[in-house]
Amino acid sequence: GAGVSQSPSNKVTEKGKDVELRCDPISGHTALYWYRQSLGQGLEFLIYFQGNSAPDKSGLPSDRFSAERTGGSVSTLTIQRTQQEDSAVYLCASSIGDRGGNEQFFGPGTRLTVL
Amino acid sequence: AQKVTQAQTEISVVEKEDVTLDCVYETRDTTYYLFWYKQPPSGELVFLIRRNSFDEQNEISGRYSWNFQKSTSSFNFTITASQVVDSAVYFCALSRTGFQKLVFGTGTRLLVSP
Repeated sequence: GAGVSQSPSNKVTEKGKDVELRCDPISGHTALYWYRQSLGQGLEFLIYFQGNSAPDKSGLPSDRFSAERTGGSVSTLTIQRTQQEDSAVYLCASSIGDRGGNEQFFGPGTRLTVL
Repeated sequence: AQKVTQAQTEISVVEKEDVTLDCVYETRDTTYYLFWYKQPPSGELVFLIRRNSFDEQNEISGRYSWNFQKSTSSFNFTITASQVVDSAVYFCALSRTGFQKLVFGTGTRLLVSP
């Protein structure tokens, strides 16, 4: 079956612009996660969705970052007024159920470059 | 707080050598999960193994084996008879029971040359 898909694969934007990153999880997976991978910070958790609600937003670095999930499926991560330090690869993952310890399946990521 | 340490930044071996990737974790929880993921040059993280903190049995899957020792808070990964296709960055990760987020180590880059 289809894996986790993300779009766009690459995004170049100018400082101060808003960007939207999309994640399409594996069909039937109720849990969805966003992570960020950068040279300086490694792999960091951003936010977790169970269905359409986000019980854990603890990793969002600032109020410029927000995410939503609709229909228990597709999720969008929005970064407002982008800064150069936002440049990173944004990874989405999904898993079955909401128990801790479930295997998370990752998408190919969106590489964001802020000029 | 949870923390995962992968002290080896990069390891280079020649094909057919055995190699062990170290992972040390910190947590105050009595129950937790440990994971290993592989990130090949293509970039997509690939799940390798999950281990529950209650299960200290070592596991072998083909050329891969994992050694979990709670006494030393370690979850080491060994590749036997390494191959060029094993070249990748390997991440160890931890999650708390009841919480979903993964806390990753900084990764170990493995380079296997022919």
